[in-house]
Amino acid sequence: DVKVTQSSRYLVKRTGEKVFLECVQDMDHENMFWYRQDPGLGLRLIYFSYDVKMKEKGDIPEGYSVSREKKERFSLILESASTNQTSMYLCASRPTGLTVQPQHFGDGTRLSIL
Amino acid sequence: AQKITQTQPGMFVQEKEAVTLDCTYDTSDPSYGLFWYKQPSSGEMIFLIYQGSYDQQNATEGRYSLNFQKARKSANLVISASQLGDSAMYFCAMRELVSGGYQKVTFGTGTKLQVIP
Repeated sequence: DVKVTQSSRYLVKRTGEKVFLECVQDMDHENMFWYRQDPGLGLRLIYFSYDVKMKEKGDIPEGYSVSREKKERFSLILESASTNQTSMYLCASRPTGLTVQPQHFGDGTRLSIL
Repeated sequence: AQKITQTQPGMFVQEKEAVTLDCTYDTSDPSYGLFWYKQPSSGEMIFLIYQGSYDQQNATEGRYSLNFQKARKSANLVISASQLGDSAMYFCAMRELVSGGYQKVTFGTGTKLQVIP
């Protein structure tokens, strides 16, 4: 079974801090994604990556950056955390190809910015 | 512009009845794919069903079926014989190729389904 692991289930940080959310997958998937989930807004795509060191902006990239130095690891960085970044963050991975293969999700990180 | 639209924030259905959850989409990629996921209160994302843009037949997986109307750009999920365990959030998602040939997957806002005994 594919395993997508997010480093923290719950995280509390202060305004202005630099925050790192880590995601690791064990199935050699080329594509990895970061979403935030908010009530009434569904899952919104922040950034995605299709290969090592490659990244693309999603629909709401402002205030975030990402890093993919190794194929299995995709990090989301909040450069200077703000209270409006309090949310549930979900990481997902998927192989390349126009196939039925769905995304595999981590358990999520509930981030609170105080 | 919204790529995936789910117009029903919440739905109720009687146990053992069928229910349809709506999803419309917009893309210029001819080779897109559509997914439905279930998210129970525990938070995990569970893949339910997939429909490719070139698939001739509507997808089915057990009690789940997808009513795919390509010309209308709709991909509604039909759950037959609802069970109490079906109470959850349901998300429609679309995989498409964007400029540069990269795969992007976007989600709708979700529908909260509650099954009434």
